[in-house]
Amino acid sequence: EAQVTQNPRYLITVTGKKLTVTCSQNMNHEYMSWYRQDPGLGLRQIYYSMNVEVTDKGDVPEGYKVSRKEKRNFPLILESPSPNQTSLYFCATVSFYEQYFGPGTRLTVT
Amino acid sequence: GENVEQHPSTLSVQEGDSAVIKCTYSDSASNYFPWYKQELGKRPQLIIDIRSNVGEKKDQRIAVTLNKTAKHFSLHITETQPEDSAVYFCAASMGTGRRALTFGSGTRLQVQP
Repeated sequence: EAQVTQNPRYLITVTGKKLTVTCSQNMNHEYMSWYRQDPGLGLRQIYYSMNVEVTDKGDVPEGYKVSRKEKRNFPLILESPSPNQTSLYFCATVSFYEQYFGPGTRLTVT
Repeated sequence: GENVEQHPSTLSVQEGDSAVIKCTYSDSASNYFPWYKQELGKRPQLIIDIRSNVGEKKDQRIAVTLNKTAKHFSLHITETQPEDSAVYFCAASMGTGRRALTFGSGTRLQVQP
């Protein structure tokens, strides 16, 4: 079964404490992406990766890092989380045009 | 970059009525226009999409129309049912390079039984 998985699904943390949200896909897709979803703003792209070791900024990259050391994994790193990063995060892969979203990670930074 | 505007932000209809959600986009190079349905606490799910070489596409009770000249596209849901209640997002993509989708801000559809 084609899957995009994310962990953790829920996370409450404090300002400044580094965290990583993992994303993994089993579809052998080259393209992976991270979005954040905030009320009234839709989904906004944070970072994307066209292939292994190839990453680039999306529309809202400030405060985030990513890495793509292998094709199936695309972790999102918050080195020093702040309350304005409280959001719902989705990882996604793309096959041709269609995006496949992971289940989402709800992050709260206090 | 691309900008997608979506209206209305909320829509309430009676069961059995039709619902229409409209989006406009700014970049004439966009050539792919999907619609996603997101139920509470779940991931967005693709429900229908249209490419720029087509003016209309239907799938049972849902249809999407595209007017490239005016740069707008619409989602039409007929014979609405309570299970259609969700947030609907339109998006636009150029399908190359970043292959990113630029999303509209969403429409919360409430179907009243």
